[in-house]
Amino acid sequence: DTGVSQDPRHKITKRGQNVTFRCDPISEHNRLYWYRQTLGQGPEFLTYFQNEAQLEKSRLLSDRFSAERPKGSFSTLEIQRTEQGDSAMYLCASSLESNYGYTFGSGTRLTVV
Amino acid sequence: EDQVTQSPEALRLQEGESSSLNCSYTVSGLRGLFWYRQDPGKGPEFLFTLYSAGEEKEKERLKATLTKKESFLHITAPKPEDSATYLCAVQSHYGGATNKLIFGTGTLLAVQP
Repeated sequence: DTGVSQDPRHKITKRGQNVTFRCDPISEHNRLYWYRQTLGQGPEFLTYFQNEAQLEKSRLLSDRFSAERPKGSFSTLEIQRTEQGDSAMYLCASSLESNYGYTFGSGTRLTVV
Repeated sequence: EDQVTQSPEALRLQEGESSSLNCSYTVSGLRGLFWYRQDPGKGPEFLFTLYSAGEEKEKERLKATLTKKESFLHITAPKPEDSATYLCAVQSHYGGATNKLIFGTGTLLAVQP
């Protein structure tokens, strides 16, 4: 498989619960991004990894959000104490260091009830 | 602040009826302008990257053009399978090493048979 994989595709959780999403980038891509998209809006940047280093975090990323990319391979995004406002599509993308373009995954749709 | 505005928000065309989508941008040093297609419930799919004013790129029924202030996505003789949301995004030279994308809110295109 040469695409970006995200798991799960859908997640419904109760307010206050913790959730974790996984992203497997294209294997040779060293850059990995997380974006969030709400209905009717374009994707918004959350955070960026170059290999295993998290180099930038958006102000949108509150203390309840944490992301990791151990060994520069897959990445996880965890949301603690979820709130209804966290309901969105969480998109992962990857790219080569020398390439400006991204490849996006199909996203994880989170619904907080 | 870098900003992208897309118009119209929604566009309904008859099959074969050509039209154009607009993307106006303000950015501190354009590194690249990107067009993506997004189908419902899926991640954005890369279409084009444009780097400098006057540049044009084509793919099947789609043609993207770029000026210093805006980009157009021209759709010639569209088919129902071209129905999707079309997203425009910019990257700034001053965005550091992140290469993060700033997206517009998209144009929802519906092509009726």
